[in-house]
Amino acid sequence: AIQLTQSPSSLSTSVGDRVTITCRASQGISSALAWYQQKPGKAPKLLIYDASSLENGVPSRFSGSGSGTDFTLTISSLQPEDFATYYCQQFNSYPYSFGQGTKLEIK
Amino acid sequence: QVQLVESGGGVVQPGRSLRLSCAASGFTFSSYGMHWVRQAPGKGLEWVAVIWYDGSNKYYVDSVKGRFTISRDNSKNTLYLQMKSLRGEDTAVYYCARDPGYFNSSGYCDYWGQGTLVTVSS
Repeated sequence: AIQLTQSPSSLSTSVGDRVTITCRASQGISSALAWYQQKPGKAPKLLIYDASSLENGVPSRFSGSGSGTDFTLTISSLQPEDFATYYCQQFNSYPYSFGQGTKLEIK
Repeated sequence: QVQLVESGGGVVQPGRSLRLSCAASGFTFSSYGMHWVRQAPGKGLEWVAVIWYDGSNKYYVDSVKGRFTISRDNSKNTLYLQMKSLRGEDTAVYYCARDPGYFNSSGYCDYWGQGTLVTVSS
């Protein structure tokens, strides 16, 4: 099974900061990666699919990049509503899997 | 608008069974694959299973193989997860989610339900 490792696990940040979250796969997954945002008590929300495609309705401050084993999610200028936990997910091969999550906290 | 509503969660003893349902509306259910994803209390997301739009293919995470069965009734616009031999580590909120692949499987989830809590405890 493919393992996904996110870094950092948590991050204290401020409104306006540029934030980068990394997701590393244990083996190559081409561009079969999605990113989700989850707020407490809520279902996850799709942000990015196919590593770099922005889901409809998601603000353009979110972007994704990478292929193979190394991927990044970047938030260009953090907004108050962006404080949440972010997960990557691979869908290159079964069983699909998620990273352990990265929690963005207010500094 | 797309709506997914899970039901069937609750408290169940170890070793017993439970069936979750997910009622879909706002889209042509029979044209899309569906996933189950779970989240243990205070933990991260875990992908559980997927079923293709026509039920022809099903895949599971290793920890539930042989115990859980994903199925669907396209005439009722409903997705199911039959869970048997439940263990404490199955305690989680279970989400159903739509795969955006049209008559195909994309592999990720674009719409999610609100989740239903399953607690396995004696």
